[in-house]
Amino acid sequence: EVQLAESGGGLVQPGGSLRLSCAASGFNFNPYSLSWVRQAPGKGLEWVSHISSTRTIYYADSVKGRFTISRDNTKNSLYLQMNSLRAEDTAVYFCATDQRGDMDVWGPGTTVTVSS
Amino acid sequence: DIQLTQSPSTLSASVGDRVTITCRASQSVGSWLAWYQQKPGKAPKLLIYKASTLEGGVPSRFSGSGSGTEFTLTISSLQPDDFATYYCQQYNNFPYTFGQGTKLEIK
Repeated sequence: EVQLAESGGGLVQPGGSLRLSCAASGFNFNPYSLSWVRQAPGKGLEWVSHISSTRTIYYADSVKGRFTISRDNTKNSLYLQMNSLRAEDTAVYFCATDQRGDMDVWGPGTTVTVSS
Repeated sequence: DIQLTQSPSTLSASVGDRVTITCRASQSVGSWLAWYQQKPGKAPKLLIYKASTLEGGVPSRFSGSGSGTEFTLTISSLQPDDFATYYCQQYNNFPYTFGQGTKLEIK
C-alpha cells in the first residue's frame, strides 16, 4: 500500500527550529516529486515547498530563507528543516506526492505549534 | 502568484441534490487544476486532476470541467459522505496555490 507518514511536529518557542520528516512506503520513492502543504487551525490549505526527483526546489514566499526542503532517497524520506519559527507557522504539516503537480498521496499530517 | 477564488464559500444542500462549486483563477492555468475533498482532522483527498480527469476510486458522481480561468466541480447526486470542505489547486506554475475552500453543509 502506498503510504506517507509525517513525524517531528511539536511545541517550539518563537525563533526556534524543528525538523519534520516524511517516510514513504509501498512505492518507488526515487522518481517522485513531493511537496509540503500546511493548514493553520481553522484555515485553508497552503502549499509550502516542492522538491523534484532531480532536487529542483521551490518555496512559498512566506517560508523562503527560513525553511529548507530535502530528501534522502536511500531512506525513502522527505524532510523540512524549519528555522526562525513564528507564531504564524503554527499548522498541521502534510507531505504529499505531486509527480503530476496535483497531489495524489498524502500523509495524515503532523502538528507544529509555535508558542512561548 | 495566481490567486484562486472559490464560490460559494459555504453551500447548504440536501442528500440527492446536484451541486456545483466554481473556482476562478486570476490568470490562465490551462487545464492544470485539481480538486480535493477534506473532512475534519483528515488529509485532503484528490478527486479530480487536469481539470476533468477523475482520480481512480473516486465515485462517478463527481465531475470537473473548465479551462483557462474558470472551473467547476459538480456532484450529481449528493450522498451523506460528501458533506466536507472542497478545495481547488492550480499547478500551472509555482508557487502552487489553493482556493480558500467551499464548505458543503447539510441543509
